[in-house]
Amino acid sequence: GAVVSQHPSWVICKSGTSVKIECRSLDFQATTMFWYRQFPKQSLMLMATSNEGSKATYEQGVEKDKFLINHASLTLSTLTVTSAHPEDSSFYICSAPFGRALTGELFFGEGSRLTVL
Amino acid sequence: AQKVTQAQTEISVVEKEDVTLDCVYETRDTTYYLFWYKQPPSGELVFLIRRNSFDEQNEISGRYSWNFQKSTSSFNFTITASQVVDSAVYFCALSERYNTDKLIFGTGTRLQVFP
Repeated sequence: GAVVSQHPSWVICKSGTSVKIECRSLDFQATTMFWYRQFPKQSLMLMATSNEGSKATYEQGVEKDKFLINHASLTLSTLTVTSAHPEDSSFYICSAPFGRALTGELFFGEGSRLTVL
Repeated sequence: AQKVTQAQTEISVVEKEDVTLDCVYETRDTTYYLFWYKQPPSGELVFLIRRNSFDEQNEISGRYSWNFQKSTSSFNFTITASQVVDSAVYFCALSERYNTDKLIFGTGTRLQVFP
């Protein structure tokens, strides 16, 4: 079963509103989580590294004020798309390392598809 | 700078054919990790393999096999006797030595297997 869960799976919102996407680690603690963005038929682009108890680290070109990341607990990171516009429509995916030292596997959430009208 | 190139955008095969997905990477690190992930239509990424830069042994897992060649910076993925369920987008990814959780993805190869 999934060890990283995202909610909601899909969301439609009006332009100008803010949308929050949650990423939860199930049954394990994640001091770090990663947020990716995927455009249709394109690759995953790392947006930011979410750090529990401290500020997120954003990749070059990602607007910090547009994409707010909060890692309030060891099992939850949230991505808030503020004042969303149609160009923010995308598939957002989070990941959290779990058992990596043993299996090398990075677990990804199911993704959240955002459509901004 | 790190980079992963998957030159094949889309591949179509008929069931039972063998198919190889190419992956070429660039990195200045001497220690790094390479990954393959499968993304079916549902969207969730499915881990297939991780290989570290010191292990050049080829890997076989059922119908899947991987060929890692450091000399050509390639980490190719072969599916033998493809099946319709193999239809998906496959991503090759690279991670840094000191931040192995941060992945740099290739652009993906969409594989369509027809019955």
